[in-house]
Amino acid sequence: QVQLQESGPGLVKPSETLSLTCNVSGVSISSYYWSWIRQSAGKGLEWIGRVYSTVTTNYNPSLKSRVTMSVDTSKNQFSLKLKTVSAADTAVYYCARDLDYGDYVRAFDVWGQGTMVIVSS
Amino acid sequence: DIQMTQSPASLSASVGDRVTITCQASQDISHYLNWYQQKPGKAPRLLIYDTSSLETGVPSRFSGRGSGTDFTITISSLQPEDIATYYCQHYDDFPVFGPGTKVDIK
Repeated sequence: QVQLQESGPGLVKPSETLSLTCNVSGVSISSYYWSWIRQSAGKGLEWIGRVYSTVTTNYNPSLKSRVTMSVDTSKNQFSLKLKTVSAADTAVYYCARDLDYGDYVRAFDVWGQGTMVIVSS
Repeated sequence: DIQMTQSPASLSASVGDRVTITCQASQDISHYLNWYQQKPGKAPRLLIYDTSSLETGVPSRFSGRGSGTDFTITISSLQPEDIATYYCQHYDDFPVFGPGTKVDIK
């Protein structure tokens, strides 16, 4: 069965770069799209972006200037980098499989457990 | 950008009650609407995709309907394990979630 596990620092200083990794097991990472989603008390659930293989990325326009996502097929992992963070980026960060059901129907069918990231000095 | 709203923001109901949550899109989104359930401290779980298709393993007491701008998810007989927050979500240029509806037991 498909499982996702986020990892990375739980505390990041303001103006620095938040880096998270999602380890994928049970399926080849090359076969699907993968997304990062975050959840904060102030903004609810917010999609950050998605990545496919090593060549396709789409980002939320509100975060696009600060986000980079990538895939490491050798490790079956994908990653998120969010630069120049501030307290507003404090949230639980989830990785999720972004599944295409066909006919332009897409949904997040498998989620990691989430990792809390606090931005503070 | 498309905005999603949900009502009510919270509700309390008794075990066995029929519960309906509404989601409204700011413009016509056809049938492209998903529903998620999130229990405290857990990740969201996909319940329904494409307005009315039940994800594998989801109990049949959950159902969804709607089209255009107005959608609902219904729990036909509320169970204690259904206590959670429910989110609708649309996937267009980029995914957007509703603010959530918290369901409690009365």
